Amino acid sequence: AQSVAQPEDQVNVAEGNPLTVKCTYSVSGNPYLFWYVQYPNRGLQFLLKYITGDNLVKGSYGFEAEFNKSQTSFHLKKPSALVSDSALYFCAVSPHNQAGTALIFGKGTTLSVSS
Amino acid sequence: DVKVTQSSRYLVKRTGEKVFLECVQDMDHENMFWYRQDPGLGLRLIYFSYDVKMKEKGDIPEGYSVSREKKERFSLILESASTNQTSMYLCASSQTGGRTDTQYFGPGTRLTVL
Repeated sequence: AQSVAQPEDQVNVAEGNPLTVKCTYSVSGNPYLFWYVQYPNRGLQFLLKYITGDNLVKGSYGFEAEFNKSQTSFHLKKPSALVSDSALYFCAVSPHNQAGTALIFGKGTTLSVSS
Repeated sequence: DVKVTQSSRYLVKRTGEKVFLECVQDMDHENMFWYRQDPGLGLRLIYFSYDVKMKEKGDIPEGYSVSREKKERFSLILESASTNQTSMYLCASSQTGGRTDTQYFGPGTRLTVL
């Protein structure tokens, strides 16, 4: 079955430190991967996606993600965390052979950045 | 910028009521989606639509129906609301059915069924 896993329910970092939010996937065929962020009582906002090409994808708000095919991972990173980055982060994958259908989401990781 | 709007941010209904959640997008997108978000479960797809009057069931369609009479509007209907349908409901849209398409989300409707 195609799936996405976010192994950490919560990640805590101090402001100014680098952050990583982990995501692993299981999908047949070429993986198309997405990261979204959700601030409290808001909808999801698109951060970035990997389609093909360079394994390091840059996105909004200074975030980037590294695609690693051998480890089937797509970790979200930021060199220096801000308190305002505190939010719920979702990794998602586009299922293979199901054009027009929805994304498969992970269960989400809460990022808490302390000042 | 793509804008997806949902008719209510918060809604409180009684068990057995018929509930309508409305979603409108302003970018002429072909695809629209309804998800349900619950803590620890992430987002789960209820229904999606790839064209006017067309719909497909998602992972958890039981107890829900949908309507898409116009391209920009996608409605989620709870025929007879139950307490286990208390949740956050998120609408999304994407331009085409391609696997690489970005989905854009509305602000969500937090529904409480008493």
